[in-house]
Amino acid sequence: QVQLQESGPGLVKPSETLSLTCTVSGGSTSGYSWSWIRQPPGEGLEWIAYIFNTESTNYNPSLKSRVTISVDTSRNQFSLKLTSVTAADTAVYYCARGGENHYFDLWGRGTLVTVSS
Amino acid sequence: DIVMTQSPDSLAVSLGERATIDCKSSQSVLYSSNNKNYLAWYQQKPGQPPKLLIYWASTRESGVPDRFSGSGSGTEFTLTLSSLQAEDVAVYYCQQYYGSPWTFGQGTKVEIK
Repeated sequence: QVQLQESGPGLVKPSETLSLTCTVSGGSTSGYSWSWIRQPPGEGLEWIAYIFNTESTNYNPSLKSRVTISVDTSRNQFSLKLTSVTAADTAVYYCARGGENHYFDLWGRGTLVTVSS
Repeated sequence: DIVMTQSPDSLAVSLGERATIDCKSSQSVLYSSNNKNYLAWYQQKPGQPPKLLIYWASTRESGVPDRFSGSGSGTEFTLTLSSLQAEDVAVYYCQQYYGSPWTFGQGTKVEIK
């Protein structure tokens, strides 16, 4: 069955760029919507960004100026970049299938990213 | 943004009893052209990602026990656990996928009394 796995550094320094990749195994990124969602420790869920194939993206306005989402269909991966991070960006970051007018039906296990010097 | 507000924030229910969680959206998530409510429910256990339980407000995801049910339309929705089991202890979230940014409720923690 299709599985998602996040990867990337667990520690990022303030003002630097957070970069994460989600690998889709057992299926293809083509033809599906993909999103990044985060959850600060002990808090709720916040949708960050969405991509469909390579041509359609959407960002949460609260983060839009700092976020880029991209997809590499040849590798079955999609990625997130968040620039100028602060401690407020410390969270578990999840990749998920879904987004544009569609529920999130498949989630990765999540990866904790801590912003600290 | 569509604001999703859940109530209560937490509840304790005896095993085998009913648990009810409400979710209100700040604007309707019913799409008139297809008469579908763009509302989903998720269950999150400690240390795990959220798991989809219900979509289109009342459609149970494959493999989800039938003790979980969703109801409501427009701006008011309910998740019902008809007979609480020990494995249902979790935080439950509603989420709208009607309009971007797609937003979640603050979560409701369900515990055993």
